[in-house]
Amino acid sequence: DGGITQSPKYLFRKEGQNVTLSCEQNLNHDAMYWYRQDPGQGLRLIYYSQIVNDFQKGDIAEGYSVSREKKESFPLTVTSAQKNPTAFYLCASSRLSGRGNNEQFFGPGTRLTVL
Amino acid sequence: RKEVEQDPGPFNVPEGATVAFNCTYSNSASQSFFWYRQDCRKEPKLLMSVYSSGNEDGRFTAQLNRASQYISLLIRDSKLSDSATYLCVVNPISSGSARQLTFGSGTQLTVLP
Repeated sequence: DGGITQSPKYLFRKEGQNVTLSCEQNLNHDAMYWYRQDPGQGLRLIYYSQIVNDFQKGDIAEGYSVSREKKESFPLTVTSAQKNPTAFYLCASSRLSGRGNNEQFFGPGTRLTVL
Repeated sequence: RKEVEQDPGPFNVPEGATVAFNCTYSNSASQSFFWYRQDCRKEPKLLMSVYSSGNEDGRFTAQLNRASQYISLLIRDSKLSDSATYLCVVNPISSGSARQLTFGSGTQLTVLP
């Protein structure tokens, strides 16, 4: 089955710890994205990547880091510098095919709670 | 002004009702438009793209009004299973080559038996 997987589904972290959230896709999509969603709010873009070994900051990149060593994988590290990391984290991917529709497909998400 | 604005609701409607959501966007250069559906504590899933001429998929109709910069979603004969949050999504193409999407905060729909 083609799709996007994220792990873990739930993650608990103590303050001051870094944690890494996994995102893998087998859709052969070039672009991958990380969002966070807080209750009652829309999705906010953290980082995105259009090609291997390249990525750009989104609207709320502070306190986060990413890598894109393989096309299929785009892990997100939530560092201790992130002031309010408790949120629902969503990974997405999409094709990069001209100016036409470029819908994004989402993984099931990781719910991070800082204790 | 938010880039994408939606009425948060909640919309509580009886089964079989017709319900319409509107969404406005601020960037007149936007090129792509979508409606996503998000169930409670789940990931968003693409419901339908929105085309300039309007498009229909079963009980769902999406329309785009570029002059007024809004898109709409109409759900006919609503079912209990339609209960979800509906996200209006816009691609502000002028933001660069990245295929970034801007998400509205969502409109919550509850269909009542």
